[in-house]
Amino acid sequence: KAGVTQTPRYLIKTRGQQVTLSCSPISGHRSVSWYQQTPGQGLQFLFEYFSETQRNKGNFPGRFSGRQFSNSRSEMNVSTLELGDSALYLCASSLAPGASYNEQFFGPGTRLTVL
Amino acid sequence: AQTVTQSQPEMSVQEAETVTLSCTYDTSESDYYLFWYKQPPSRQMILVIRQEAYKQQNATENRFSVNFQKAAKSFSLKISDSQLGDAAMYFCAYRPLLGQGNLIFGKGTKLSVKP
Repeated sequence: KAGVTQTPRYLIKTRGQQVTLSCSPISGHRSVSWYQQTPGQGLQFLFEYFSETQRNKGNFPGRFSGRQFSNSRSEMNVSTLELGDSALYLCASSLAPGASYNEQFFGPGTRLTVL
Repeated sequence: AQTVTQSQPEMSVQEAETVTLSCTYDTSESDYYLFWYKQPPSRQMILVIRQEAYKQQNATENRFSVNFQKAAKSFSLKISDSQLGDAAMYFCAYRPLLGQGNLIFGKGTKLSVKP
């Protein structure tokens, strides 16, 4: 079974631009969560989607948004990029929010650098 | 709000020896899950071990075991017979049993294994 895939793996953008990251969950998984990982703040939760609906959102500004499609693939968008948005963005998929353990399987991440 | 604290930013262990990584957490919930994740230099986060708070018995997965002290809100990871491949960042994570499906992570412990 293929794992969680994220594209692109690396991105370089300049301040003020916007960016879209993509995540394809494991086949059969319907829940997708996004996390931002930085050396200073560690791993912080961005949002969680299930059945095309945002179930939960972390404490990030409105510049960060996401969506989920009917095939469970998810995208996140960051508008008006700031230097502080440079981070590794991790996507995790799970069967469903209420599933036992709700074990989350992580993708390899997208490394975003904002210049 | 729930928090997870890992007080050891870095640890080092000799190959074949045993090492224990510490984790404490704060929550007012009575039922929840606790996890240890490993993130090798390749960046793909993988689950090492998990523990349900309502289970008294400490979880064990091959060379990995936990010491779960619910009253003390402590969840340490013991790695026995350490191997070079165990070198990685280790993250302790919390998730409530009900409600939000996202993980709350500690800042991580970087484990080095000396040959």
